[in-house]
Amino acid sequence: DAGVIQSPRHEVTEMGQEVTLRCKPISGHDYLFWYRQTMMRGLELLIYFNNNVPIDDSGMPEDRFSAKMPNASFSTLKIQPSEPRDSAVYFCASSLTGTGKGEQYFGPGTRLTVT
Amino acid sequence: AQSVTQLDSQVPVFEEAPVELRCNYSSSVSVYLFWYVQYPNQGLQLLLKYLSGSTLVKGINGFEAEFNKSQTSFHLRKPSVHISDTAEYFCAVSSSNYKLTFGKGTLLTVNP
Repeated sequence: DAGVIQSPRHEVTEMGQEVTLRCKPISGHDYLFWYRQTMMRGLELLIYFNNNVPIDDSGMPEDRFSAKMPNASFSTLKIQPSEPRDSAVYFCASSLTGTGKGEQYFGPGTRLTVT
Repeated sequence: AQSVTQLDSQVPVFEEAPVELRCNYSSSVSVYLFWYVQYPNQGLQLLLKYLSGSTLVKGINGFEAEFNKSQTSFHLRKPSVHISDTAEYFCAVSSSNYKLTFGKGTLLTVNP
């Protein structure tokens, strides 16, 4: 398997623009997670899906952020409008189980820079 | 609520020296513990995990960790490090649900 795939790897955009990050989880994994990594706050869980359904979005910072999973092999994280404080590395991860025992497999991340 | 404290933000060592990266956690329930490694410009990769049973856990690349319930610690060790071990290491905790809570990370730098 190719692992978790994220695109783009790097995104530079201007404040106010819409940004869409994409993720393809490992085939057969029922759980998908979106994380944000910054120097100040470390790794934060934004939202997670089980069988394409959003289960917990309490980590989403504000209404400018939205995430969807239209099918088992694709998810998007959208920021509209983007702000400089959204600059971070965004990771997608997938897992076979959500019991807390299972390993999460991370993608390579998308480095977002908002100017 | 659960939390993780990684006591050292940076650990510089010389090649072939032993290393210990410290991790303490707090949780009101039984936990599962993990160490992940992040190489530059890559995602996180699982090194090892403790779910139950033996408190000494062995992982990939010669790393091991010991779960100490009384001290609420899960320190990571390697007896002899290589240049290629230079990376950021994250301790994480979860309980019976899905949520992984990560520490802030420890940057291990191995110098020749």
